[in-house]
Amino acid sequence: SQTIHQWPATLVQPVGSPLSLECTVEGTSNPNLYWYRQAAGRGLQLLFYSVGIGQISSEVPQNLSASRPQDRQFILSSKKLLLSDSGFYLCACKGGVNQPQHFGDGTRLSIL
Amino acid sequence: AQSVTQPDIHITVSEGASLELRCNYSYGATPYLFWYVQSPGQGLQLLLKYFSGDTLVQGIKGFEAEFKRSQSSFNLRKPSVHWSDAAEYFCAVGAAGAAGNKLTFGGGTRVLVKP
Repeated sequence: SQTIHQWPATLVQPVGSPLSLECTVEGTSNPNLYWYRQAAGRGLQLLFYSVGIGQISSEVPQNLSASRPQDRQFILSSKKLLLSDSGFYLCACKGGVNQPQHFGDGTRLSIL
Repeated sequence: AQSVTQPDIHITVSEGASLELRCNYSYGATPYLFWYVQSPGQGLQLLLKYFSGDTLVQGIKGFEAEFKRSQSSFNLRKPSVHWSDAAEYFCAVGAAGAAGNKLTFGGGTRVLVKP
């Protein structure tokens, strides 16, 4: 079965600093990968998804970007963080046809 | 565009009582439907999924859900709630063949369990 690793688990960053969150997946090949953000008291918002290496689709305009340098690695980045970037960031993986998305444990990002 | 509505933001239930969480979706084709559970500070765990076939699906932790096409609903049920079921529950809809196999999530229902 697939395992999704996210790090760090928590992160406190000042406004204007850069960001790099990493997600790696084990137990599957050529998965679809997803980044979600969950703001306090709100549901999940899909930020990016990727169906293959170097293929990134952005769902909402924002201050963030994503990259997929390897088949099982998905990175969420920002050059300059905003206060509004605070939230809980979740990486998800979908292994194949008729498979559900599975989620990592998330990264709690606080911007000061 | 697909959408998911979870009408109840909060539900409080006594331990041992039954639980039903409502989910209504809007989608033009046959949907794939999911229920996830999230404990505080954790990721989402899949409870159950519906792709096709029997409209009553069994999941983990004693949960079940019933797909009713005529009502565009996929309600989650548990006959007897345990204190450990206190969490937030999310319903989601997706479709095979859709670009990226994306999911649309409802806003969630937070379940509180009274002793």
